[in-house]
Amino acid sequence: EPEVTQTPSHQVTQMGQEVILRCVPISNHLYFYWYRQILGQKVEFLVSFYNNEISEKSEIFDDQFSVERPDGSNFTLKIRSTKLEDSAMYFCASSGEGVADTQYFGPGTRLTVL
Amino acid sequence: AQSVTQLDSQVPVFEEAPVELRCNYSSSVSVYLFWYVQYPNQGLQLLLKYLSGSTLVKGINGFEAEFNKSQTSFHLRKPSVHISDTAEYFCAVSNSGAGSYQLTFGKGTKLSVIP
Repeated sequence: EPEVTQTPSHQVTQMGQEVILRCVPISNHLYFYWYRQILGQKVEFLVSFYNNEISEKSEIFDDQFSVERPDGSNFTLKIRSTKLEDSAMYFCASSGEGVADTQYFGPGTRLTVL
Repeated sequence: AQSVTQLDSQVPVFEEAPVELRCNYSSSVSVYLFWYVQYPNQGLQLLLKYLSGSTLVKGINGFEAEFNKSQTSFHLRKPSVHISDTAEYFCAVSNSGAGSYQLTFGKGTKLSVIP
């Protein structure tokens, strides 16, 4: 069964450094998403991406965040200058085109900012 | 804006006993409803979803949920749990209108099945 993959599984970085989290969505999917879960809190939507542009973003997704689909298979989330409060589990998801289509989630990347 | 409340953060239950995990939502528009499960060190996996039609929805692994519009609830049930059901369960909603695909999640309920 096809699945969403994410790398790395755990990333440790120093405050102020840039990080790039990588995802490989399911190959025939058209929508891509990033969510995050701070320890002990809810899973929160960050951004959705369709047709090579952002289709929705939350208020969390400020100028320090960016997303990119650099080639036909990868989908990345970049955090330009990490803060302590960016420490969280980051989940990538993908879905087909319909609003009712299931979002399939990857296993997550745990980001720790020191 | 939408919100989801999962009333129980942890639910312990004995093996082969029934379980109900509660979920209530708030929304000013029509919604789709979902239950996801997360096993340790894995991603979120869809258990079931309600889009329209019959209010009783059956999902994988013997789980079912009932949509109650008047009570704005979507409780998850299983008549007899197994050890392998130990996991965290997340209720989520999305706007059923076109153009908005984001999921809004509850805080999750940790189900512990006791042998």
